Amino acid sequence: HVHLQESGPGLVKPSETLSLTCTVSGGSISRFSWSWIRQPPGTGLEWIGNMSRSGRTNYNPSLKSRVTISADTSKNQVSLRLSSVTAADTAVYYCARDTLVQGISGVWFDPWGQGTLVTVSS
Amino acid sequence: QSVLTQPPSVSGAPGQRVTISCTGSSSNIGASYDVHWYQQLPGRAPKLLIYGNNNRPSGVPDRFSGSKSGTSASLAITGLQAEDEADYYCQSYDTSLSGWVFGGGTKLTVL
Repeated sequence: HVHLQESGPGLVKPSETLSLTCTVSGGSISRFSWSWIRQPPGTGLEWIGNMSRSGRTNYNPSLKSRVTISADTSKNQVSLRLSSVTAADTAVYYCARDTLVQGISGVWFDPWGQGTLVTVSS
Repeated sequence: QSVLTQPPSVSGAPGQRVTISCTGSSSNIGASYDVHWYQQLPGRAPKLLIYGNNNRPSGVPDRFSGSKSGTSASLAITGLQAEDEADYYCQSYDTSLSGWVFGGGTKLTVL
């Protein structure tokens, strides 16, 4: 049973870089693709980007210039960096496994980590 | 403004049936990309409820069902229970954005 746990600073200053880590247990990250998704307080979900099994990354066009997703297979971790943050980046950040099955078009997210709240404030 | 449009809220009495719509366009649902649904209980992470339009993961009651037609999809919940009170999100892929997109979410209130 795969378990995901996000970790990182809960407070980041404006213009600085947000850095989060997703530690995966119960399975190797090399076998799947992994996404980062965020949810500003009181609003809906926004896909940030993902990293495939081969290490290829895809990012939301609205965040692409500021986002970097990477992986450390030795630690079984996937990381997110978001630069030049503003108050609009305040959100709960989730990591999730990308799941796909032959015969179904597209990817869904399962399981999810519990999420970590990041507040951007001076 | 979400790419996939959901009603902000729906409500129903215990035991009743409710449906939640998810309206997309020719660049996502209408482009033959399947729709997936998530349930988010208050203060919790989203949980997969339906995948591939109408498939339930193990452990999800058969009171929950999904469907898709054209550029829209729907989630139906029958035999409404108090524990179903949550936010529900649809998700698909958008070719114009080259990425995964979510609906704005629907808050279900059990009266």
